[in-house]
Amino acid sequence: DQQVKQNSPSLSVQEGRISILNCDYTNSMFDYFLWYKKYPAEGPTFLISISSIKDKNEDGRFTVFLNKSAKHLSLHIVPSQPGDSAVYFCAASASQIQGAQKLVFGQGTRLTINP
Amino acid sequence: EAGVTQSPTHLIKTRGQQATLRCSPISGHTSVYWYQQALGLGLQFLLWYDEGEERNRGNFPPRFSGRQFPNYSSELNVNALELEDSALYLCASSFGGIYGYTFGSGTRLTVV
Repeated sequence: DQQVKQNSPSLSVQEGRISILNCDYTNSMFDYFLWYKKYPAEGPTFLISISSIKDKNEDGRFTVFLNKSAKHLSLHIVPSQPGDSAVYFCAASASQIQGAQKLVFGQGTRLTINP
Repeated sequence: EAGVTQSPTHLIKTRGQQATLRCSPISGHTSVYWYQQALGLGLQFLLWYDEGEERNRGNFPPRFSGRQFPNYSSELNVNALELEDSALYLCASSFGGIYGYTFGSGTRLTVV
């Protein structure tokens, strides 16, 4: 049962343009969402998060949007840079439920930024 | 500040053997989480330890087990290794719950 889904295994974007990565979830108890970036042979590193009480959170070039009614979130990267090429994971948690605070991850999207 | 450290970096085992993977959390973190990333797949949750207790377990067979020590470091043991256990095993630590969730670089386990 895949509770967090990233339906695009890969995405290719021109340098300087906007990258949009999408994520869907099924568990209505999820109330905290995160995006991680992963390079080969390294652990995932935290990028940005959003609580379910918000619908947008921005940090520099990165913005996360949350649509609770559609159970959908997206990560926007503007402008895209070559160093952004990596695998991006969406993660979710039911942060208020005792014993369920672990992160549940999607399958990841490989983003390639072309010069 | 030292991050989450995992050892060994690489491990090669024969089918049927046992593997032991180790994780040292960030100082002050009491929770340790283990994930498996098989080739081409996402991060699958394995185990969560907090304050020495197992808090949650993913959909893995009992031959995947672990423990957390008084200093909050953790071990993941995989018994009766199978070829499909070949994967990157990632450890993360946090203050408890999801805040400050930080990953190590992983242990690449290869079963031959």
